[in-house]
Amino acid sequence: AQSVTQPDIHITVSEGASLELRCNYSYGATPYLFWYVQSPGQGLQLLLKYFSGDTLVQGIKGFEAEFKRSQSSFNLRKPSVHWSDAAEYFCAVGTGFQKLVFGTGTRLLVSP
Amino acid sequence: DTGVSQDPRHKITKRGQNVTFRCDPISEHNRLYWYRQTLGQGPEFLTYFQNEAQLEKSRLLSDRFSAERPKGSFSTLEIQRTEQGDSAMYLCASSPDLVTEAFFGQGTRLTVV
Repeated sequence: AQSVTQPDIHITVSEGASLELRCNYSYGATPYLFWYVQSPGQGLQLLLKYFSGDTLVQGIKGFEAEFKRSQSSFNLRKPSVHWSDAAEYFCAVGTGFQKLVFGTGTRLLVSP
Repeated sequence: DTGVSQDPRHKITKRGQNVTFRCDPISEHNRLYWYRQTLGQGPEFLTYFQNEAQLEKSRLLSDRFSAERPKGSFSTLEIQRTEQGDSAMYLCASSPDLVTEAFFGQGTRLTVV
């Protein structure tokens, strides 16, 4: 069965510092991997996706993620965090965009 | 095009009552998805439609739940005889195909008292 683990429930980062959010997945075939962001009261917004090809993928808002098959990981990174990045981040796996399996999320807090 | 629209945004209902939610996808998006998100959890897949055909249903979708997309445009999700465990955010998303981004609506927050 497909599953996604986000081991960090909360992370606090100082504004301007770098960020890495962890994601590990379990999937029987080559996975399609996604990162979404959810701000309070808002729907989910796609940050980036990996289907195939280059294992380092660039997304919106300065985010990037690296697919590491050997580690079953798809960690999200940003070199310099802005206060507006405070939100909940979800990693997901699926076959295309249908029937996504989401992790439990990591809440990012940004301190001044 | 204003994105995926869900109505109502909030619903409070008494246990045992029936509720119905509506989702209007982005026009010309033939795929429509329903997810449920409980507090502190990620969204969980419920069901999806390609045009008017309901192609897959999760085991989470008990017989009290029914979803329709009668004309391949908007969709409704009905919950009969609501229970407190049904309290959650119900999210709708749509996409034009399998590999193009699915856009999510802002959700309907259901509270069963």
